[in-house]
Amino acid sequence: QVQLVESGGGVVQPGKSLGLSCAASGFSFSAYSMHWVRLAPGKGLEWVALISFDGTNEHYADSVEGRFTISRDNSKNTLYLQMSSLTIEDTAVYYCAKGTGRNSWAFDGWGQGSLVTVSS
Amino acid sequence: DIVMTQTPLSLSVTPGQPASISCNSSQSLLHSDGRTYLFWYLQKPGQPPQPLIYQISNRFSGVPDRFSGSGSGTDFTLKISRVESDDVGIYYCMQSKQLPTFGQGTKVEIK
Repeated sequence: QVQLVESGGGVVQPGKSLGLSCAASGFSFSAYSMHWVRLAPGKGLEWVALISFDGTNEHYADSVEGRFTISRDNSKNTLYLQMSSLTIEDTAVYYCAKGTGRNSWAFDGWGQGSLVTVSS
Repeated sequence: DIVMTQTPLSLSVTPGQPASISCNSSQSLLHSDGRTYLFWYLQKPGQPPQPLIYQISNRFSGVPDRFSGSGSGTDFTLKISRVESDDVGIYYCMQSKQLPTFGQGTKVEIK
């Protein structure tokens, strides 16, 4: 049974940085791509970033390119999202999501989410 | 970017009645590998999204058979044959032929 547990959310001032983690269990973490997807207040789902099963390929949404960095540690079954130069528009619940395959751009499992609030 | 457009944006359905949501993509989702990368997800109130349908019409494990998907190219449909109270939430279509993009979401309520 896929289990994904996000942590690291909180309140942060505009322009500052924050890091999220996602602890994975119940599946072979190193065999799947992983994603971050967010849900901003009053808006729809927005894909944020993905990383391939081995960490060699990363892709980002235009809205976060150059500010966010996705990474993974397969020895720890953990996914990360480092966010910098945060703006109010980054306020959202951030979900960690399991890809459907090694380099898949779709997902089939989600964590409960971690709330990031950017506010002065 | 591929733009995904859903209609309607909200739907109120009597339990036991059918419901249908349409999704249109700004370009064909048919990949050179022969697969069409169109997915459906449901976000129930207070929960993370859950997967419903992959590659147009295939149900993810555990999804009831009252959910079905159809379509091709740029036009797709999710149908619920008999809506139940547990089906309330926001339904999203998503493409992954290119970097993923979602539709705006369709809010389904029970009358």
